[in-house]
Amino acid sequence: SQQGEEDPQALSIQEGENATMNCSYKTSINNLQWYRQNSGRGLVHLILIRSNEREKHSGRLRVTLDTSKKSSSLLITASRAADTASYFCATPTGANSKLTFGKGITLSVRP
Amino acid sequence: EAQVTQNPRYLITVTGKKLTVTCSQNMNHEYMSWYRQDPGLGLRQIYYSMNVEVTDKGDVPEGYKVSRKEKRNFPLILESPSPNQTSLYFCASSGQGSGNQPQHFGDGTRLSIL
Repeated sequence: SQQGEEDPQALSIQEGENATMNCSYKTSINNLQWYRQNSGRGLVHLILIRSNEREKHSGRLRVTLDTSKKSSSLLITASRAADTASYFCATPTGANSKLTFGKGITLSVRP
Repeated sequence: EAQVTQNPRYLITVTGKKLTVTCSQNMNHEYMSWYRQDPGLGLRQIYYSMNVEVTDKGDVPEGYKVSRKEKRNFPLILESPSPNQTSLYFCASSGQGSGNQPQHFGDGTRLSIL
């Protein structure tokens, strides 16, 4: 069952611009994770934000979490062509807390 | 280097011919999982394992088998592959409490069943 849904489905920006991607989820969570997938490769973990955190930074990445709105955003500042990839949010669901992934956002950064 | 290794990376085979995709991790992780990724459907979990000799079905287990005899290995078995199992497959691992830990993914196995 779909837990996290990303928005927009696709995003195209110029190098140097900021990219903002959103994720909404349905049920209460104790954390939310963001992953990146380069074309044809495996997913790479970017950042995990816990339910008691509102904002987290890692390099050029900034993630926010609003548990009242059940939403999260991933901001990539000063984007580079190498940021071109698909980005997924993932949340734990079910009794075994397995991770459920959204369908992803395709980000294209034009040089 | 911490990694999840899948083999083969690419495989083209025919309907009904049994195949195994291997997965190995060197991080001493308890939790391992298999996913398939299809256009428009995202990433769906096939099977997972909380620890050695403990496996359970994910969202789309039909047509697949797994085993977890050793902590580091979690092979995916297709006893009688069919064309609808053509997909991109990923193995992943994480520490205890899978949903609360980052998952480490292999580079994927692209299977084509003719």
